[in-house]
Amino acid sequence: GQQLNQSPQSMFIQEGEDVSMNCTSSSIFNTWLWYKQDPGEGPVLLIALYKAGELTSNGRLTAQFGITRKDSFLNISASIPSDVGIYFCAGSRAAGTASKLTFGTGTRLQVTL
Amino acid sequence: NAGVTQTPKFRVLKTGQSMTLLCAQDMNHEYMYWYRQDPGMGLRLIHYSVGEGTTAKGEVPDGYNVSRLKKQNFLLGLESAAPSQTSVYFCASSLLTGTVRSSNYGYTFGSGTRLTVV
Repeated sequence: GQQLNQSPQSMFIQEGEDVSMNCTSSSIFNTWLWYKQDPGEGPVLLIALYKAGELTSNGRLTAQFGITRKDSFLNISASIPSDVGIYFCAGSRAAGTASKLTFGTGTRLQVTL
Repeated sequence: NAGVTQTPKFRVLKTGQSMTLLCAQDMNHEYMYWYRQDPGMGLRLIHYSVGEGTTAKGEVPDGYNVSRLKKQNFLLGLESAAPSQTSVYFCASSLLTGTVRSSNYGYTFGSGTRLTVV
């Protein structure tokens, strides 16, 4: 089945550093979302993107919807310990709705003091 | 607000046993989903429902059945559990439509059920 490939799979960074991760697909998606999963919990929506080329921020998080509609990027600035978790990208072929999302394989982020 | 509630949170089954996982949401969402999460595989869709009384297969439906008799509940059943079904199961719900900019856009997930089949 269709899967979204996330890179990197995991990363260790120091507190205060900026983080970049990306998500790529072999086919087009019309809606991209980024989720964060804390240990023992379900994923929580961080940012949603619905237009190719769109750049959207949520606090220290910034995400971009790739021009080709086959990729998306998430940046976290000035990381803090509570940023630890697994970050998932998700795509939907429907525009404007979030039905039948396809999820990426996840990027595990660990922040050291 | 409770959001999406999954029960049970943990369960150990013997091979061949059956069980039902319950998902309940209080947000009046039309769509409901069951995903499984395995290391390195992300979240894979098992079954989903677009409304009361309707269900459809997702990416990995084999070995599972579902029912949506009430809009707020979505049940996932394992008729004869196998070790390959050891996983963390997540239920989620979403609105049928919604603008991207609205605060209720996207899925709301439950906190998961950790199932081990021995």
